[in-house]
Amino acid sequence: QITLRESGPTLVKPTQTLTLTCTFSGFSLNTRDVHVGWVRQPPGKALESLALMFGDGDKRRSPPLQSRLTITKDTSKNQVVLTLNNMDPADTATYYCAHRQRLPGSGWFPFDSWGQGILVTVSS
Amino acid sequence: DIVMTQSPDSLAVSLGERATINCKSSQSILFGSDNKNYLAWYQQKPGQPPKLLIYWASIRESGVPDRISGSGSGTDFTLTISSLQAEDVAVYYCQQYYGGLLTFGGGTKVEIK
Repeated sequence: QITLRESGPTLVKPTQTLTLTCTFSGFSLNTRDVHVGWVRQPPGKALESLALMFGDGDKRRSPPLQSRLTITKDTSKNQVVLTLNNMDPADTATYYCAHRQRLPGSGWFPFDSWGQGILVTVSS
Repeated sequence: DIVMTQSPDSLAVSLGERATINCKSSQSILFGSDNKNYLAWYQQKPGQPPKLLIYWASIRESGVPDRISGSGSGTDFTLTISSLQAEDVAVYYCQQYYGGLLTFGGGTKVEIK
């Protein structure tokens, strides 16, 4: 059974750096056939993809946020860490991490398992 | 990145009636080597993470009722709820997972008329 859980601060001040950790179980992030992604959702608004970590260490980041966003993984701890610096009230959102995989002979699947999300508020 | 556009933003449908949601991608998401459309649909209820309903444009995830179906190919896709039930009230998102970041449409809110 795959589970993911987001952790980190729920309140940050403007200009501060946000660090969120996704701790997962039920899979290993050590092959190119597995990804963990970060998605956020401002209150009452749509889902926005932020970043994707590949099991082989490759990564993708949202172009508008690329200069502020870092994604890393610790395979031994089963964790993916998202860092977003220079936080702004517009970054207030629920942040989710999610899993996807490619199965032999089947191709890629979309995000099939999600964490419950963590609401991060940016306010002084 | 591929841009996903959903319509309408919201719709109200009577119980037992059909609900139809459209999704358009800015480029084809039909992967030539396996002839699959890399398009997913999610359902999100308040306070919950998105739930995967449909992948490869038309394949239901396990446990999804057969009144919910997906269709389309290339750049134009549709999610249909054939007979709306109270538990279907939610926001629905399409998502492409063809390339780059997995980008989402803007969402469609489905309510009971």
